[in-house]
Amino acid sequence: DTAVSQTPKYLVTQMGNDKSIKCEQNLGHDTMYWYKQDSKKFLKIMFSYNNKELIINETVPNRFSPKSPDKAHLNLHINSLELGDSAVYFCASSSSSGGETQYFGPGTRLLVL
Amino acid sequence: AQRVTQPEKLLSVFKGAPVELKCNYSYSGSPELFWYVQYSRQRLQLLLRHISRESIKGFTADLNKGETSFHLKKPFAQEEDSAMYYCAPRIALIFGKGTTLSVSS
Repeated sequence: DTAVSQTPKYLVTQMGNDKSIKCEQNLGHDTMYWYKQDSKKFLKIMFSYNNKELIINETVPNRFSPKSPDKAHLNLHINSLELGDSAVYFCASSSSSGGETQYFGPGTRLLVL
Repeated sequence: AQRVTQPEKLLSVFKGAPVELKCNYSYSGSPELFWYVQYSRQRLQLLLRHISRESIKGFTADLNKGETSFHLKKPFAQEEDSAMYYCAPRIALIFGKGTTLSVSS
């Protein structure tokens, strides 16, 4: 069974559209994260939620809005997509926000045309 | 502030050669460090963490507080080791920029 899953795996869309990426973990973890990996493979934290509460919100445009309906899910909604949003987005989870090992999802490749 | 630096963007070695992927850290408090690996088009996964002092896939990493380093080493590289390697502090929100390891025969 996949521990951290993301859907969709690939997402190709036009500039200006709104899209969502879903993430689910079945590890019973309290903390979930969203990362962006750009074309240079730099990995940057975007958001972190602990027990459905936002604990980290890095400098991310407010077009990006995370939503955590429960501890096992952290979805990412993106409004008015821009070319620069093209990247691979990784969801991850850990047992606490104190820095335990993170388990990553397979990634969502977003291409904005 | 916790920060890790991986000075090499790309490291190319021949199969069977020793490998050392560098990671230096600046840390306030007691450092705990991780190495994550990402094989081509796959998810990141934990390779090893310094606190467990284990060897995974032949890789080891020793925390050197004097040099503030946590270099990843393997005595004999294999082609399947080709991947992207990230060093990360315990609060793994700030990953190093990563080093691509390319092992050729």
